Amino acid sequence: DQQVKQNSPSLSVQEGRISILNCDYTNSMFDYFLWYKKYPAEGPTFLISISSIKDKNEDGRFTVFLNKSAKHLSLHIVPSQPGDSAVYFCAASGLISDTGRRALTFGSGTRLQVQP
Amino acid sequence: DAGVIQSPRHEVTEMGQEVTLRCKPISGHDYLFWYRQTMMRGLELLIYFNNNVPIDDSGMPEDRFSAKMPNASFSTLKIQPSEPRDSAVYFCASRQDLSTDTQYFGPGTRLTVL
Repeated sequence: DQQVKQNSPSLSVQEGRISILNCDYTNSMFDYFLWYKKYPAEGPTFLISISSIKDKNEDGRFTVFLNKSAKHLSLHIVPSQPGDSAVYFCAASGLISDTGRRALTFGSGTRLQVQP
Repeated sequence: DAGVIQSPRHEVTEMGQEVTLRCKPISGHDYLFWYRQTMMRGLELLIYFNNNVPIDDSGMPEDRFSAKMPNASFSTLKIQPSEPRDSAVYFCASRQDLSTDTQYFGPGTRLTVL
């Protein structure tokens, strides 16, 4: 059962335009969400996060929006740059019931290609 | 800080051989995680440690897989015997403490079992 889903395996946008990457989750226990960026032959790099008590978090060109009622979050990159071309992973964290533990659950990733 | 360090970066071995992957977490981080990434299953958590103690190993696929953390600055993931289906990229990540959910990943080890 995929608890975190990124339904678009790839996305292509023009340089300077907005990139919107989407993520859906099913587990209502998730209360913290993160986006990671991954270049080939490198490990995922933390990009931005948002707590479930917020609906928006902004960091420079990157903004994450959270819609809790829809169990949906999105990452906006404005303006997009060729260096943003990478695979983006959505991750969710929450308390695992009966264990007191917290762990990250990752989506399958979306490959973003920004065309010059 | 140098970040999370993994070695080797690439490993090619033959079926049946023992493979040992190594990880040095960020200094001061209390949590260490081992992940495996494959095309079929994406990024999946294998095991994680808190203060050198294994907390959850439910993601370890089989008894052929084992992980240890003898001290706060070193962990190993061992596969014995290795099989072709173990071919994947293995990532190590660390997290500072319970005050954050952010994990920092190493560059990964690409394992190929022939």
